[in-house]
Amino acid sequence: DSGVTQTPKHLITATGQRVTLRCSPRSGDLSVYWYQQSLDQGLQFLIQYYNGEERAKGNILERFSAQQFPDLHSELNLSSLELGDSALYFCASSQLAGNRNEQFFGPGTRLTVL
Amino acid sequence: AQKITQTQPGMFVQEKEAVTLDCTYDTSDQSYGLFWYKQPSSGEMIFLIYQGSYDEQNATEGRYSLNFQKARKSANLVISASQLGDSAMYFCAINDYKLSFGAGTTVTVRA
Repeated sequence: DSGVTQTPKHLITATGQRVTLRCSPRSGDLSVYWYQQSLDQGLQFLIQYYNGEERAKGNILERFSAQQFPDLHSELNLSSLELGDSALYFCASSQLAGNRNEQFFGPGTRLTVL
Repeated sequence: AQKITQTQPGMFVQEKEAVTLDCTYDTSDQSYGLFWYKQPSSGEMIFLIYQGSYDEQNATEGRYSLNFQKARKSANLVISASQLGDSAMYFCAINDYKLSFGAGTTVTVRA
């Protein structure tokens, strides 16, 4: 158990819908990252927050947004869902934000868009 | 841009033997971190080992060791005394602020 929690574990929804994925980082970790894992694109970085502020953006679609709250939990919002958004979404956390910090991953949320 | 290459899509190894998973990377940064993660069939990502670009010694964590050759930009993972529970996908990653992952190598341990 990495100490990072993600809910829900599974999510099945229809095209055009909107969903919210939730992540709680490890105790003491200030940085939260979101990743998407799909068969065709592999593991892709989406976005990073550090202590409530957006720190870096990766291959995140405009239909997706995220935020980190004062209690450091984070939410990833996916809207106007398409079939291609079906993937495993990981949240990871690290103590700080530098490149020497190990990132610990949550169990993931498996999103299926029908 | 950071890039990780894992050239072995799949490997078979006999139980109790050692296996080496290849990883090469491309970066123009001087300071970076290299990581290996394990993803079993259940899907979670498990951190295995870390190597800093300025670390002079190769990292080791139990049965995992990292063969770091900075000049060749390679960071191969060695798993010693393979166990059936080692069957999984293994990802190499480089970190500047985000993790950039390779395509992964599937390891199957045979009894």
